[in-house]
Amino acid sequence: QKEVEQNSGPLSVPEGAIASLNCTYSDRVSQSFFWYRQYSGKSPELIMSIYSNGDKEDGRFTAQLNKASQYVSLLIRDSQPSDSATYLCAVADATSGTYKYIFGTGTRLKVLA
Amino acid sequence: GAVVSQHPSWVICKSGTSVKIECRSLDFQATTMFWYRQFPKQSLMLMATSNEGSKATYEQGVEKDKFLINHASLTLSTLTVTSAHPEDSSFYICSALTGQNYEQYFGPGTRLTVT
Repeated sequence: QKEVEQNSGPLSVPEGAIASLNCTYSDRVSQSFFWYRQYSGKSPELIMSIYSNGDKEDGRFTAQLNKASQYVSLLIRDSQPSDSATYLCAVADATSGTYKYIFGTGTRLKVLA
Repeated sequence: GAVVSQHPSWVICKSGTSVKIECRSLDFQATTMFWYRQFPKQSLMLMATSNEGSKATYEQGVEKDKFLINHASLTLSTLTVTSAHPEDSSFYICSALTGQNYEQYFGPGTRLTVT
């Protein structure tokens, strides 16, 4: 059973701080990784995708991938109250003949004003 | 990013009736779309993978005769909940896979309430 693990939180950070969200995955051959943000009562929204080891930056967001450790993280700089949401880590799985994502259960982030 | 629409955004129906939900990719073609269900404060649950021009692939435990999926074109997939019951009340979300980097974009979701 392929798995994606996330701490459910809540992770509370003060406004302006860096929020660090972590994710581990079980399938060593995974190649594609994604972070989604989901506000309460809404559908998920794609924030970042990452495919190579190292860092990928987009505005206040930085995704970090370490395939050797099977670890993906998302850093949010200068956190704002509007960043308060559940963040979902997803790993693409193409081994069963169809292409689908394995989602973690999400980490709830609270940014305190 | 790519845009996916869903219709209706919410629906209330009586027990025993059927409800159809449409999912459209507005600015790209999607050979693969997915249907998820999410209960309050729970994780996304993949119900099925919808492939254009072929039968959907259902996840274990999802009744294919109850949740009918049709992916008739590269921009449209539909989910029909047949003979709905109150336990089918949930938030149904579709998504579409882009050809570029296999990124998955979600529709806004449909909130189904069965009375």
